[in-house]
Amino acid sequence: NAGVTQTPKFQVLKTGQSMTLQCAQDMNHNSMYWYRQDPGMGLRLIYYSASEGTTDKGEVPNGYNVSRLNKREFSLRLESAAPSQTSVYFCASSRDRGGGVYEQYFGPGTRLTVT
Amino acid sequence: DAKTTQPNSMESNEEEPVHLPCNHSTISGTDYIHWYRQLPSQGPEYVIHGLTSNVNNRMASLAIAEDRKSSTLILHRATLRDAAVYYCIRYSGGGADGLTFGKGTHLIIQP
Repeated sequence: NAGVTQTPKFQVLKTGQSMTLQCAQDMNHNSMYWYRQDPGMGLRLIYYSASEGTTDKGEVPNGYNVSRLNKREFSLRLESAAPSQTSVYFCASSRDRGGGVYEQYFGPGTRLTVT
Repeated sequence: DAKTTQPNSMESNEEEPVHLPCNHSTISGTDYIHWYRQLPSQGPEYVIHGLTSNVNNRMASLAIAEDRKSSTLILHRATLRDAAVYYCIRYSGGGADGLTFGKGTHLIIQP
């Protein structure tokens, strides 16, 4: 049981390049989330998927797109990377939305640098 | 606006209990209180959560004030591996549906 896995662990992009961050969970969770964490800050929600087939914007969605490929996988795409997107990206999952009943489980993160 | 207030840092000795306070004076009746911690260079890790009653699990205990305006995370016997940033979060699972992380409490454990 690997929990939440993310690839890649590290990435360096040039401004304007695109890339997709991959996330998968093996806990049969319905809900999945993408967060970013800037140095010395707490996490901020980018996008979330309450269930397979649905996605919704979070606090900071600009410059990102997401795809809930199936129940296990939730990817985050940067179409044209900017230096302001330099951050650590965390994927998380929870059993369900549940009104706060369910806890979230996080992956190890992807450290992205845009030059 | 993280909607909770925590001390920036706390220090404790190894093998002693640690009480991490959190103020959430504007909490609504449907908000759960979640605690997560983040070790250096790792993703956040779930610790415990509750609504009204005190909660215990293998990692910690959560004591919730009767008026729900504050809570305390209790680590019964701190180890060096407990050194982390601890986040107290009000979470109702609605709206944008994500956890709102503030700056948390940096817990330092002295050997």
